[in-house]
Parts: sequence; C-alpha cells; structure tokens
Amino acid sequence: DAGITQSPRHKVTETGTPVTLRCHQTENHRYMYWYRQDPGHGLRLIHYSYGVKDTDKGEVSDGYSVSRSKTEDFLLTLESATSSQTSVYFCAIREGVTEAFFGQGTRLTVV
Amino acid sequence: QQQVKQSPQSLIVQKGGISIINCAYENTAFDYFPWYQQFPGKGPALLIAIRPDVSEKKEGRFTISFNKSAKQFSLHIMDSQPGDSATYFCAAGGAGNNRKLIWGLGTSLAVNP
Repeated sequence: DAGITQSPRHKVTETGTPVTLRCHQTENHRYMYWYRQDPGHGLRLIHYSYGVKDTDKGEVSDGYSVSRSKTEDFLLTLESATSSQTSVYFCAIREGVTEAFFGQGTRLTVV
Repeated sequence: QQQVKQSPQSLIVQKGGISIINCAYENTAFDYFPWYQQFPGKGPALLIAIRPDVSEKKEGRFTISFNKSAKQFSLHIMDSQPGDSATYFCAAGGAGNNRKLIWGLGTSLAVNP
C-alpha cells in the first residue's frame, strides 16, 4: 500500500451535509490525487496536489474542494453532498512519473 | 468525452491461455501509457507502462504492445492464471510534470482453472 491510509473507509451521509475524506501518506511523496470510481465511468480525477498548498482541478472537480497543509495529508471535502456524489473515492500517490499506488478507497453513500 | 477506448469490457480465458486487452486513444499529445490491475475491494495498482518511443515492453508474463501510427496499445497476459482474475485499466497521460491521466473504462478478466 506504500503507506497510504484513507479514512473513513465507509460513510453514509445526508444530502446537503459537508463531508471530508482524508488521505494520509507516510513516504513524503510530492504528488497526491483524488479519484472517484463509478460503474460505467471508470476512474475520474477530481483534484490533485503537487506540493503543500499547491493543488489543481481534475475533470470532475465541481462540488469538491481539497486542501494540503502538510505533505502527508490530502483532504477532499464535499461542500454540500449530493446523491450524484455517491461513489468510491480513491487517493493515489505518484512514484516516478505516474500514479503508482492507491489507497483502499472510501465508499461514500449520500442519502 | 472519453479519449481512451478500452475493449473488451469483459474477458474469460482458460488457465494457461493468453489474455489480450486493447486500448485506443485519440490525443496524439499523450506520451505515457500505463496499465493498472484492480482486485475487488482494493485500489488499482500500477502494473506496467510504456512510452511511445518503444513498440513493446515486457515484464514477466505481462507485455504491452504499442502501435503509434494506429494510436493503439494492448496488454498481453501470457500463461494466464486464476490469480490474474481482476479488472484491468489502461490509461494515457500527456507530457509534463503535472500530467493528468485519462482512463479507459476497464476490462473484467476471469481466468478459469
């Protein structure tokens, strides 16, 4: 797992509430990513970070924000959860030139 | 807009056979083509990757073949084993440090014993 921990692993939340997912790494990797995985859509990049306080949008960033105040932690926040954000969320780190290791995933259900 | 098309969607192979998964891309600016393997309940894991300056790369039983003119690349799994049963994703990325990957939709491989 290359020292990647996602929390929580499962969460059920109500529509309209804010939700924060955490990705923690122990190996000082510069690049970190948040993806969502949905049937029929594969993996889609939400946001990524290339350093502390350096982040950029992916292809499905609307409704999501991220923060990286420390190298080891990359937080994904759903500002006001909607049912369309029900998904499995994966954090990844880059080793070399691409995403090499992914976390175990967070299964989020918005009811 | 899907820029990486992966086929087949699912594949059943007998133990010892060859599994072949194909991907096609549109954007000629892509210059990095990784494959990932994902087991149920787990995150994807980088399996093997290729750049367009080579036509083939082999790592153990896994081989990527790359056809730049056709804008296609494929994963071959030789001597397929039941433990290879997983979902495989191809992806393509552009140049530069802040490269973003575009992913195929995945192929579910089942290797029968």
